[in-house]
Amino acid sequence: EPEVTQTPSHQVTQMGQEVILRCVPISNHLYFYWYRQILGQKVEFLVSFYNNEISEKSEIFDDQFSVERPDGSNFTLKIRSTKLEDSAMYFCASTSGWFNEQFFGPGTRLTVL
Amino acid sequence: TQLLEQSPQFLSIQEGENLTVYCNSSSVFSSLQWYRQEPGEGPVLLVTVVTGGEVKKLKRLTFQFGDARKDSSLHITAAQPGDTGLYLCARAGFNKFYFGSGTKLNVKP
Repeated sequence: EPEVTQTPSHQVTQMGQEVILRCVPISNHLYFYWYRQILGQKVEFLVSFYNNEISEKSEIFDDQFSVERPDGSNFTLKIRSTKLEDSAMYFCASTSGWFNEQFFGPGTRLTVL
Repeated sequence: TQLLEQSPQFLSIQEGENLTVYCNSSSVFSSLQWYRQEPGEGPVLLVTVVTGGEVKKLKRLTFQFGDARKDSSLHITAAQPGDTGLYLCARAGFNKFYFGSGTKLNVKP
């Protein structure tokens, strides 16, 4: 069964460093998302992406964040200069349509020291 | 912001008990989805409800969509330890997706 994959599973970084979180969505999906979940808190929408551009972003997704689909399979989230409060689980999701079921990856746990 | 309030926030029950969790909003939904998230994993879709008053059953789980399409409930009959997890309601918007605050369920053997 096709699934969304994410790497790495855990990333530890120093404050101020850049990190790139990687996702491989389900191959025939066209709509992609990134979410963040701070420990013990709700899943928060960060950004949606379609047709090689950002479709919508939340207030959390500031200038420190960027997304890219560098090739036909990968979808990445970059945080330019990490802050302590960026520590969270980051989930990638893909879907075949805006209102359809979303398929989530297993997440990347980001720890900023 | 499309707020989805879930209650209760936490629920700890014994195996075999029944429970209901709620999802409420001041906005009307065109559809609503329920997800379950286990620790260290991403959310997994349980059901989508579309029609006001709709009831869907998934084994011991019963999902109901309010007549006015502003609220939904999830009822679990004879809960089992395997039901432990975070239950999230969510609504899909055009190019955005809103999750509720979640109900953390713990079913003790």
